[in-house]
Parts: sequence; C-alpha cells; structure tokens
Amino acid sequence: SQELEQSPQSLIVQEGKNLTINCTSSKTLYGLYWYKQKYGEGLIFLMMLQKGGEEKSHEKITAKLDEKKQQSSLHITASQPSHAGIYLCGAVIIQGAQKLVFGQGTRLTINP
Amino acid sequence: DAGITQSPRHKVTETGTPVTLRCHQTENHRYMYWYRQDPGHGLRLIHYSYGVKDTDKGEVSDGYSVSRSKTEDFLLTLESATSSQTSVYFCAIRPGTVYGYTFGSGTRLTVV
Repeated sequence: SQELEQSPQSLIVQEGKNLTINCTSSKTLYGLYWYKQKYGEGLIFLMMLQKGGEEKSHEKITAKLDEKKQQSSLHITASQPSHAGIYLCGAVIIQGAQKLVFGQGTRLTINP
Repeated sequence: DAGITQSPRHKVTETGTPVTLRCHQTENHRYMYWYRQDPGHGLRLIHYSYGVKDTDKGEVSDGYSVSRSKTEDFLLTLESATSSQTSVYFCAIRPGTVYGYTFGSGTRLTVV
C-alpha cells in the first residue's frame, strides 16, 4: 500500500520551464521531507516542512505544506539540467513517530 | 554522506546464502534505519533502531533481521537470501528534529 502518493511519476520538461511535483497523503502529515536523488546515488535532503501553510525555498526550489496538512508541493522555477533526478517525499504520518514513509518518487528529466 | 557509511557498496550473492549489510555512523545518533528502494515503490522501511539493542519492524521486515550492539553500528541480515531481496539498501540516521534524515550511499545487492 502507498500512504504517500506522488504525482506525476515521471516528468520531462524543457530547460527554463517551471514545474510542480505533488505529494499527497491519506493521513495527516506531521512532518514532510523532500529529497533529491541522482541516478545511482544516495538521497540529498532538500527541505523539511512541519506546519500547515509553511513554505520554504532553496535557490530555485520552493516547497509548501497545505493548510490541512495532507499535501505538499515542490515547485522548481526556470529549470536547469542540474535539477534532473528523482524527487522523493518522505513523511511522518503518525504523531510522535520517529520514522518516515516515502512516496514512489518522481523522475524528472530536463531537456536542453 | 558525512558521518554515515555503508558496506559493502555492491554485493552479488546466491539464493539461500546469508548476507549481512553494515551501517556505521560516527555521530552517536540514537535513531538508525534500514530502507530498501525498488522501482515503483520509492523507499520502504525494513527495520529501525532507537537505541542499543532496541529495534522495531518496518513495513517490509519479513526475511530480514537487525542487530545493534553498539550505538555506531546497525547491521541488516538476510538470513537466507531470495531473488525478491535484490534491491538497493539504504541506511539512514536522524540527526535531530530540525534536520532531515541523513542517508548513506546505498548498497546494491543482487541475489542470483
């Protein structure tokens, strides 16, 4: 079963275009983490969101946690080849739990 | 990633043989995790530990056991490897409540 659903599962965009990846939970999110993974490598931590309505940015990547705390979006502005990879959302879905469940991942390809 | 190493990085083993993967941290964190990553499934939690000799099962624990006799080492054992356990295995640590979970570089295991 997949408690976190990411969409789309695969995304191809032209360099310079904006894009959004969504992460939807069937349960309340008590902490939402975004990671990036380059092919064949480990996970790189991007951002953590905890409060409903929270928004964080790092360079051209912005992540938001919606008010009802069951969905997060990751937005990339003016995409570059360096943004290519797999994006994974991980979440705490049981209050006080010390473990993450993950979505299936979104594979992002940037075409020049 | 800094402070966490996995060994071996690659392993090919035969069906039915026991296999042990090692995760080592240098930062004395309480929580350690083992995940497996498979196409279409993202990362799935196998086992985790919240202290020396304190471990708990994740969502895909069947066929796996773990041990943590020292804070710095978390071992994952496949008692009798099967082809369905061919996967990439990631270890993670949790540096604190405001930081993302930190992942190792992964172990690619092939069971033939």
